[in-house]
Amino acid sequence: GAVVSQHPSRVICKSGTSVKIECRSLDFQATTMFWYRQFPKQSLMLMATSNEGSKATYEQGVEKDKFLINHASLTLSTLTVTSAHPEDSSFYICSARDAEAQGAKNEQYFGPGTRLTVT
Amino acid sequence: GDSVTQMEGPVTLSEEAFLTINCTYTATGYPSLFWYVQYPGEGLQLLLKATKADDKGSNKGFEATYRKETTSFHLEKGSVQVSDSAVYFCALTGGGGTSYGKLTFGQGTILTVHP
Repeated sequence: GAVVSQHPSRVICKSGTSVKIECRSLDFQATTMFWYRQFPKQSLMLMATSNEGSKATYEQGVEKDKFLINHASLTLSTLTVTSAHPEDSSFYICSARDAEAQGAKNEQYFGPGTRLTVT
Repeated sequence: GDSVTQMEGPVTLSEEAFLTINCTYTATGYPSLFWYVQYPGEGLQLLLKATKADDKGSNKGFEATYRKETTSFHLEKGSVQVSDSAVYFCALTGGGGTSYGKLTFGQGTILTVHP
């Protein structure tokens, strides 16, 4: 149980285009999902917290108009990188928290990540 | 703000060797500490955690003790296996005993175990 999927796993796009990445909780409902970015040989950096039915909360320095997050259902959050540029190339990872888990079982479950390359 | 520092990798060991991956942190208050593991091609998985000083987290032969006096949470395993080859992340979150809050990660340490 507690599986999170991401789609696509890899995407290559041209500069100036937009790319959508999906994060799904497959066997549980997630009121909260998190989006992280990871550069090579660097740690995961939290970009935003995605709450079902409300606006996402972005971390300082993350452009909300650049990285659009939608969490329209309890099992799906999407991250859209708008007008992508080469510097947006990175590994994007999502995680989800089980809405029904209580106490110590309320863990974050991570997706396998999406490798974005902007040419 | 909160931060986590892990030892530089990659770490290469022979099977059955002893493993230590150092992790130190800075945080306000009383954070909860975690080790996550990422196997090739998979997402991060929680390996173990500790929620208060002197707590020892353990799982699959791995252990880490929450040392408040040295602000450390070093990961150890007495005898590694080839299947332990992965990337290991130390992380913390402030407040509470769960990882429901925001996680601050270390940079990750690549472990390779040879037969």
